[in-house]
Amino acid sequence: AQSVTQPDIHITVSEGASLELRCNYSYGATPYLFWYVQSPGQGLQLLLKYFSGDTLVQGIKGFEAEFKRSQSSFNLRKPSVHWSDAAEYFCAVGENTGNQFYFGTGTSLTVIP
Amino acid sequence: DGGITQSPKYLFRKEGQNVTLSCEQNLNHDAMYWYRQDPGQGLRLIYYSQIVNDFQKGDIAEGYSVSREKKESFPLTVTSAQKNPTAFYLCASSSHRGLQETQYFGPGTRLLVL
Repeated sequence: AQSVTQPDIHITVSEGASLELRCNYSYGATPYLFWYVQSPGQGLQLLLKYFSGDTLVQGIKGFEAEFKRSQSSFNLRKPSVHWSDAAEYFCAVGENTGNQFYFGTGTSLTVIP
Repeated sequence: DGGITQSPKYLFRKEGQNVTLSCEQNLNHDAMYWYRQDPGQGLRLIYYSQIVNDFQKGDIAEGYSVSREKKESFPLTVTSAQKNPTAFYLCASSSHRGLQETQYFGPGTRLLVL
């Protein structure tokens, strides 16, 4: 079965520090890759997505993600975290074979002053 | 403003009761989705609809039912057959059903069992 893994359940960073959230997927071909953010009690908002082409993707709010085929990863990064970035982050994968869409279990980000 | 609205924000269900969650979108999207979110788990697909009067079961459809009589509306009914309904329910829509399509989410409804 296809799967999406976010190995870090919870991450804490200081404001101004850099951030990297990990996402790994199991799928043979190149999937469609997404990162969403969810503020407490709210719906999800798309940060960025990758389908093909340049493996470094820029998103909203200063986020970027890099697709690494050899590692089956699509990690989310931000050079300098702001307090408002505290939220839950979900990686999602769409795969062609079964026309299915899968979400990871999420990483909760806490930002400390 | 275009977007997706869900109501109510909180919903309480008694034993043996059916409850209906509302989802409305004014984005003119063809495809709509219902997801269930539990703590520590990713989103799980309950039902989706690609077009009016058509809908398909997702991964966890048992105990739920939907209808799609209008393009902008996709209500979800949690029936008494759903034995563990306490969760956060998210409705989403996309222009079309497709893996490349960005899904836009509503603010969610939290369902609690009395």
